[in-house]
Amino acid sequence: DVKVTQSSRYLVKRTGEKVFLECVQDMDHENMFWYRQDPGLGLRLIYFSYDVKMKEKGDIPEGYSVSREKKERFSLILESASTNQTSMYLCASSSAGFRAQPQHFGDGTRLSIL
Amino acid sequence: AQTVTQSQPEMSVQEAETVTLSCTYDTSESDYYLFWYKQPPSRQMILVIRQEAYKQQNATENRFSVNFQKAAKSFSLKISDSQLGDAAMYFCGLQGGTASKLTFGTGTRLQVTL
Repeated sequence: DVKVTQSSRYLVKRTGEKVFLECVQDMDHENMFWYRQDPGLGLRLIYFSYDVKMKEKGDIPEGYSVSREKKERFSLILESASTNQTSMYLCASSSAGFRAQPQHFGDGTRLSIL
Repeated sequence: AQTVTQSQPEMSVQEAETVTLSCTYDTSESDYYLFWYKQPPSRQMILVIRQEAYKQQNATENRFSVNFQKAAKSFSLKISDSQLGDAAMYFCGLQGGTASKLTFGTGTRLQVTL
């Protein structure tokens, strides 16, 4: 089975801190994604990556950056955390292919910014 | 741009009964894929069912089936013989062609009662 592991289930940080959320997948997937999930808004794509050192902005990239130095690891960075970034963050991965492949999700990180 | 709309924030069904969750979408792509994902409380999001737009036959997975109406851009999920374990948030998703980006609806919370 595909395993997508997010480093923390719960995280509490302070306004202005630099925050790192880590995600690792074990299925050699080319594509990796970061979403944030908010009640009533569903899942919104922050960034995605289709290869090492490659990244693409999603729908809500402002205030975030990402890093993908190795194929299996995709990091989300909040450069200067703000209270409006309090949310559930989900990482996902999928294989590349001519046809769209389903995404496999991690357990999520519930991040609180105080 | 592609959009996905789930107009039912919450639904309730009695155990062993059938329930249908609605989803409508819009896309300019001619080749696309539709998904239903399930997110149980405090648990990982998992794929329930997938439909390829070029296939006319509706997808089925055990008690889960879809009603795909391409002209109406509608993709509803039917759950038969509902079980307590079906209680979850259900998200409809649209992925265009070879693009990896997946657009989600805002979700429907399904309650299953005895």
